Amino acid sequence: DIQMTQSPSSLSASVGDRVTITCRASQNSRSYINWYQQKPGKAPKLLIHDASSLHHGVPSRFGGSGFGTDFTLTISSLQPEDFATYCCQQSYTTLTFGPGTKVVIK
Amino acid sequence: EVQLVESGGDLVQPGGSLRLTCVASGFTFSSYDMSWVRQAPGKGLEWISYIDSSGTTIYYADSVKGRFTISRDNAKNSLYLQMNSLRVEDTAVYYCARQVSYHYGMDVWGQGTTVTVSS
Repeated sequence: DIQMTQSPSSLSASVGDRVTITCRASQNSRSYINWYQQKPGKAPKLLIHDASSLHHGVPSRFGGSGFGTDFTLTISSLQPEDFATYCCQQSYTTLTFGPGTKVVIK
Repeated sequence: EVQLVESGGDLVQPGGSLRLTCVASGFTFSSYDMSWVRQAPGKGLEWISYIDSSGTTIYYADSVKGRFTISRDNAKNSLYLQMNSLRVEDTAVYYCARQVSYHYGMDVWGQGTTVTVSS
């Protein structure tokens, strides 16, 4: 199975900051990477599919990039509602999720 | 409104069984693939099973293979997860999630149902 790692595991940031989260796959995952946002006690929400395609209804401050093994989620200007945990998922082979990155208020 | 509603979670003893149900509404259930995903307390997300729209292609995570069975009834807009030989480590919130296709992200999620395996 393809294993997913994320860095950092947590970060502190302020409203308005640009935030970058990295996801690495243990094997080539082509562009089959999806990103989710999850808040405590809630179900995850799809943000990005196919590495860089914004899911409908998701604000344009969210962006994704990458191909193969290295992927990035970027929030261009962090908003108060963006403090949450972000998780990548590969869907090239057996579906696997990354461990998550928690974004907290500085 | 597009919605998934899970039910069936409960407290069960190790070795016991449970059947989870996920009822879909607001979209054409038979056109979508589905997955079950779980989240143990304080842990990350773990995909456990996938079924395509017709029910002919099914995959399981190694952690549940041979113990859990996914199925669907498109006439009832329902997805199921039969869980047998439950272990303490199966304790988690279980979510059903919709997929346009295997490679596409999970774009609609239920609210989750809690399974606790304990003696």
